[in-house]
Amino acid sequence: SQQGEEDPQALSIQEGENATMNCSYKTSINNLQWYRQNSGRGLVHLILIRSNEREKHSGRLRVTLDTSKKSSSLLITASRAADTASYFCATAFTDKLIFGTGTRLQVFP
Amino acid sequence: GAVVSQHPSWVICKSGTSVKIECRSLDFQATTMFWYRQFPKQSLMLMATSNEGSKATYEQGVEKDKFLINHASLTLSTLTVTSAHPEDSSFYICSAEGRGSYNEQFFGPGTRLTVL
Repeated sequence: SQQGEEDPQALSIQEGENATMNCSYKTSINNLQWYRQNSGRGLVHLILIRSNEREKHSGRLRVTLDTSKKSSSLLITASRAADTASYFCATAFTDKLIFGTGTRLQVFP
Repeated sequence: GAVVSQHPSWVICKSGTSVKIECRSLDFQATTMFWYRQFPKQSLMLMATSNEGSKATYEQGVEKDKFLINHASLTLSTLTVTSAHPEDSSFYICSAEGRGSYNEQFFGPGTRLTVL
């Protein structure tokens, strides 16, 4: 399977703490994207990082990409209860997105 | 921004019936649409890619005769689950890619299919 893996599978933290999720993938990529999915809902695009970029920021989100290790991380700083959701990385090479296994984040108030 | 809608948002049907799910790009022309399936607490798995006016390309292991995809216009793609069975119960999500927006997919809200 080409599917990427994310770890941890589940993460529980208190509001105000930082949350870090990691994604490893198997193939060459054009870019890597992170998405959020609230329970039973569609996907919300968070951030896209291209293969020639190493780090990208968007608000409280920080994404890193290490193509030599075929890995990426998503850091959510100062987490809020509203950040509770599943987070997926998705790698793009041809016209397809291959999603990782996901991390379920629970932020307790 | 680019909005993609799906209809219905949920559907319950009897085993053996066929169900059609629509995916529409509301404010842009979608040259390519993608259909995903997501089982509970699992990731999205790509089922097929469809380009307007041509046959869909199915991923390995996806039965093209069971999951009929039609992309008849630049704003509409349909997925028909034929002779649905309980194991087809899942969350089906479509996404659309506009002209010139390579790898930038806009996702619909999903359709929850329950087959009794």
